[in-house]
This record gives sequence, structure tokens and C-alpha cells, in this order.
Amino acid sequence: GQNIDQPTEMTATEGAIVQINCTYQTSGFNGLFWYQQHAGEAPTFLSYNVLDGLEEKGRFSSFLSRSKGYSYLLLKELQMKDSASYLCAVGDYKLSFGAGTTVTVRA
Amino acid sequence: EAQVTQNPRYLITVTGKKLTVTCSQNMNHEYMSWYRQDPGLGLRQIYYSMNVEVTDKGDVPEGYKVSRKEKRNFPLILESPSPNQTSLYFCASRGTAGAFFGQGTRLTVV
Repeated sequence: GQNIDQPTEMTATEGAIVQINCTYQTSGFNGLFWYQQHAGEAPTFLSYNVLDGLEEKGRFSSFLSRSKGYSYLLLKELQMKDSASYLCAVGDYKLSFGAGTTVTVRA
Repeated sequence: EAQVTQNPRYLITVTGKKLTVTCSQNMNHEYMSWYRQDPGLGLRQIYYSMNVEVTDKGDVPEGYKVSRKEKRNFPLILESPSPNQTSLYFCASRGTAGAFFGQGTRLTVV
């Protein structure tokens, strides 16, 4: 598998911005995924980055630097419903996940 | 509605009793995969399939089998379940529009 690191927990205030970092070490790279998982539910797909740079989808953006083995997920205008675990995954057909970052949004 | 359907949602079984968890998708996706999720370990890939009759091992395939006889179905088979296979299992499929997970199967082996 791959070595994928992300922070365990983050806390932020409603309306704020939070950046979740993900670093990876891999012998080959095909792409990087971000998923959101609410407690007790299935993961839902957020983004897929193959090339370097920033991709924006509404309040969520994802950035990739392949040379640095680094990605981040940016959540803007945080809402209470954004409280969830965010999973970084690397690969293509064979996929390895980080342990996930639990984000808690406080009022 | 695009969806991935797993059954059963919950299962308690005894050690050694063969079981199958079914997974079906209605999006005509070629790629499907199985994961287990354990506290502190995150999601780990068990097996994946790139198309009908094409399967390969993920990171934790020991104790599991899969088959892909038709595009929509990708069952997970535990020939002789053991307590260390107690976990939350997810099936997923992926296409050009994104990736979709089933609702999960919580398996307990006693």
C-alpha cells in the first residue's frame, strides 16, 4: 500500500475556512480522491485530482502537488452539516486511504 | 436514481459459517471494489474489479473471495469467517461522473 498522512482532528467555527492537508508517499501516482463521511454513513465522493493545481467545486476546493506528494481540501463558509470525517485516498484501481480527519464545526 | 445496493445491512454469524455479502450497482460502471472500515485503521481495500471476470487483490484480501460474472454485481464471499473479520464493509463503484459507495454492511463474527 501507500503511506498516507492526514491530521486526526480539526475544529473550526461556523462560517470559517478549514484546510485539511494530506501527504502521501507512493512509488507510482495515478490520482488523489477526497471523500466525506458522516458518522454512521457511507463515504460520499468530493473530488478527484490527477494534475497539479486547484480544482474548485462550490464551497469545496482541492489542491494537488505531485512533486511534493501533497494535497489539501479547503472547506469555505463552514456549515454545521460539514461536521464529518474527510478521507484522502491515493491510487486508481488499487486505492489506499488515509485514516481520515474528523472536522467539528462549532456554532 | 444512481445507487450501489448492499445486502444485508447487518449480519451476525458464527465462526466458520460461509457467507456472502451482495453488491449491485445500476450505473453500468466497469470498476467496483470492496473495503472494510475499522476504528483507527480507516478504509482498507479488500478486492477490486476493473470489469467482468477481471478482479485483483487490494491491501487486505486474506480470508475473502470475490467474483464478477456480470457488470452490475460484485459479491464478497467469506468462506470461513473468523472474529477478526468483524468490521464495517463497503462496496463501491466508480465511473466518469464520480465514485459511489453502498450503505455498508456491519458484520459481526462470534
